Amino acid sequence: SQTIHQWPATLVQPVGSPLSLECTVEGTSNPNLYWYRQAAGRGLQLLFYSVGIGQISSEVPQNLSASRPQDRQFILSSKKLLLSDSGFYLCAWRIQVLYGYTFGSGTRLTVV
Amino acid sequence: DQQVKQNSPSLSVQEGRISILNCDYTNSMFDYFLWYKKYPAEGPTFLISISSIKDKNEDGRFTVFLNKSAKHLSLHIVPSQPGDSAVYFCAATDFSGGYNKLIFGAGTRLAVHP
Repeated sequence: SQTIHQWPATLVQPVGSPLSLECTVEGTSNPNLYWYRQAAGRGLQLLFYSVGIGQISSEVPQNLSASRPQDRQFILSSKKLLLSDSGFYLCAWRIQVLYGYTFGSGTRLTVV
Repeated sequence: DQQVKQNSPSLSVQEGRISILNCDYTNSMFDYFLWYKKYPAEGPTFLISISSIKDKNEDGRFTVFLNKSAKHLSLHIVPSQPGDSAVYFCAATDFSGGYNKLIFGAGTRLAVHP
């Protein structure tokens, strides 16, 4: 079966510390992968998407970066977190157009 | 500049009644529209979708209506149940740049009261 794993579920990090969130997909090959963020009281904002290994496109200039070292692995990173990076981060994988994406369970990041 | 807008941040409905969630969009090139349901601390789950060549799609208690001329779609839930209480996101597929992306609205929080 096809599944998407995302971890950790929650994270509290001090300002200026680094960040690494990982997402892996099982049961498929060469998926389109996405990172979204839901800030408090706001909708889902697309941050990055990837159509293959090493191929990253950024939607919004920010303090974050993404990498895809393997076909089914997508990583969201930051060298120095800001308070404004707090939010709910979601990894997603596209199945087919009519069904949109399958989302991971999300990571609640609080920068203090 | 929001391309997908959900202007009602919240909606309260009595159990058994109809819930109507609205969504407007600005890009006439969007091909597919989707509704997602999200519970706190969980990822959104797919609910129902509609192609831009249709004006209605029904799945059990859920029906999505699309009015292309008005660039408006709505989700109807009949009858509403307490378990439907969640945040509902409207989304549209964007193929600009050669890649498939989902553009989301800000969400509407639905509360269904017994």
